[in-house]
Amino acid sequence: DGGITQSPKYLFRKEGQNVTLSCEQNLNHDAMYWYRQDPGQGLRLIYYSQIVNDFQKGDIAEGYSVSREKKESFPLTVTSAQKNPTAFYLCASSPGSPYGYTFGSGTRLTVV
Amino acid sequence: QKEVEQNSGPLSVPEGAIASLNCTYSDRVSQSFFWYRQYSGKSPELIMSIYSNGDKEDGRFTAQLNKASQYVSLLIRDSQPSDSATYLCAVNERNNDMRFGAGTRLTVKP
Repeated sequence: DGGITQSPKYLFRKEGQNVTLSCEQNLNHDAMYWYRQDPGQGLRLIYYSQIVNDFQKGDIAEGYSVSREKKESFPLTVTSAQKNPTAFYLCASSPGSPYGYTFGSGTRLTVV
Repeated sequence: QKEVEQNSGPLSVPEGAIASLNCTYSDRVSQSFFWYRQYSGKSPELIMSIYSNGDKEDGRFTAQLNKASQYVSLLIRDSQPSDSATYLCAVNERNNDMRFGAGTRLTVKP
């Protein structure tokens, strides 16, 4: 079945640690996105990529980094510079405008 | 800053009633409009898309779009307890920049 796979489902980070969240899609979509969702709040865009080897910052890119070496993969690294990383992280993909997004199941990151 | 506004709710309706969810957006060049359903602790799921003025029906769901008023709504007929979720409105501009509202929490009471 086609879809987006995010892993791990739950992740715990110690202070000062970098962690990487995985996102893989087999939908052959060109565009991929990372969002952050805090409790009771909407989605905030971290980074997006519309083509391999190219990506742009979203509204809250500070403390995060991404790569897009393959069409299928768009990993997100939460660096130690991100001071409040505890949140629900959602990866999405799209074939492009005017179509909607398909979301992965999300990764819940907690700082311990 | 381009905005998508939704009433955060909670909106509570009895089982079998019509639930009406509303959304306004600020960017006049917006081209496509979406409703996502998000159950607690889960990721959003696309349930409706609408691109032109008027109504679009899919089963118990009807999306309504009025570009002149910059308004999009979602009606859920014969609401069921399984419809209890947060509904996110999203607006997609020409460059595929999708903006999400904060969501309206719907509770359907048996």
